[in-house]
Amino acid sequence: DAGITQSPRHKVTETGTPVTLRCHQTENHRYMYWYRQDPGHGLRLIHYSYGVKDTDKGEVSDGYSVSRSKTEDFLLTLESATSSQTSVYFCAISAVGDQPQHFGDGTRLSIL
Amino acid sequence: DQQVKQNSPSLSVQEGRISILNCDYTNSMFDYFLWYKKYPAEGPTFLISISSIKDKNEDGRFTVFLNKSAKHLSLHIVPSQPGDSAVYFCAASVQGAQKLVFGQGTRLTINP
Repeated sequence: DAGITQSPRHKVTETGTPVTLRCHQTENHRYMYWYRQDPGHGLRLIHYSYGVKDTDKGEVSDGYSVSRSKTEDFLLTLESATSSQTSVYFCAISAVGDQPQHFGDGTRLSIL
Repeated sequence: DQQVKQNSPSLSVQEGRISILNCDYTNSMFDYFLWYKKYPAEGPTFLISISSIKDKNEDGRFTVFLNKSAKHLSLHIVPSQPGDSAVYFCAASVQGAQKLVFGQGTRLTINP
């Protein structure tokens, strides 16, 4: 299994609070991704990173920001959480851009 | 605008028979396709992929077929086993790019 750790695994918070999710990898892969999974939508790309300090937007980036200061860590931040951001969030990694991505086990985030 | 569609939310198959999961796409630029399998409370696991230069790729019990003219791909599992019960996602991308687009998923149940 790819060495990907997501933290926390579960979080409940209130509308308007900031939330940061962490993805940590031990594979030294260049590419890292954040997805959200919602019923009826499959997985949708939020942001991705192609190197330290290099990030780009995905399909559903509004309301989210990311940072990657080290190869192994990719942070996803909800500056002011809304109920529509209640979802399961998955981090993924890949060695090169067109290779299969490998996923962490997800963070279940509930915003009340 | 769903570029990748899995029109069957669920599928039930008897153990030992063939399972066929289907996926349609609309973006003719897609040239790399993948299937992922997901168990509850885990991240998606890569199963098999196919490039648009091929029309078939096999890996053990899993075969993916690609019909470019119909913009359709399918995953065949033969023979189906109880451990195959999971949600299956198809995904597509432009090769060399980083953005995977996922279908909504199909829940496969293998009955003894």
